Amino acid sequence: EPEVTQTPSHQVTQMGQEVILRCVPISNHLYFYWYRQILGQKVEFLVSFYNNEISEKSEIFDDQFSVERPDGSNFTLKIRSTKLEDSAMYFCASTDHLGVDEQFFGPGTRLTVL
Amino acid sequence: QQPVQSPQAVILREGEDAVINCSSSKALYSVHWYRQKHGEAPVFLMILLKGGEQKGHEKISASFNEKKQQSSLYLTASQLSYSGTYFCGTGLIAGGTSYGKLTFGQGTILTVHP
Repeated sequence: EPEVTQTPSHQVTQMGQEVILRCVPISNHLYFYWYRQILGQKVEFLVSFYNNEISEKSEIFDDQFSVERPDGSNFTLKIRSTKLEDSAMYFCASTDHLGVDEQFFGPGTRLTVL
Repeated sequence: QQPVQSPQAVILREGEDAVINCSSSKALYSVHWYRQKHGEAPVFLMILLKGGEQKGHEKISASFNEKKQQSSLYLTASQLSYSGTYFCGTGLIAGGTSYGKLTFGQGTILTVHP
């Protein structure tokens, strides 16, 4: 069964450092998302990506965040200068039918900023 | 706008039933139900798109009211494996101003005891 994969599973970084979180969405999917979940809280939308550009972003997704689909299979989330409050689980998701079908979530990357 | 889930937590004995509600002040395009076990990614349960729709099977089912502002998830004859946090994710307009972004409720923690 196709699945969304994410690497690394856990990333520890120092405040101010840059991190890149990687995702491989399901191959025939067209719509890609990043969500985050701070420990014990709800899942929050960060950004959606379609046709090689950002289609929507939340207030959380400020200038320190960026996304890319560099090679047609990987989908990356970059945090330029991490802050303590960026510590969270980051989930990538993808879907092939906008709004009417399941969003498939990856297993997540746990980011810890020290 | 974040949907509101109720109750915040439910404790059951195996075999008991539970209902989890998800309400919005605006009419929704879709409601997606997910279950998340501790430390894992959300797992899709079902999606509802039409007012008055009911979906699922005997054990886990959901409804979407006519005005499309409330959905309920029904867990019947609960099993230990049902334990986890249940989230509703709501979608607004497909296409146009929304690219499938899901806004999640705060979650309902379900604990099933033997």
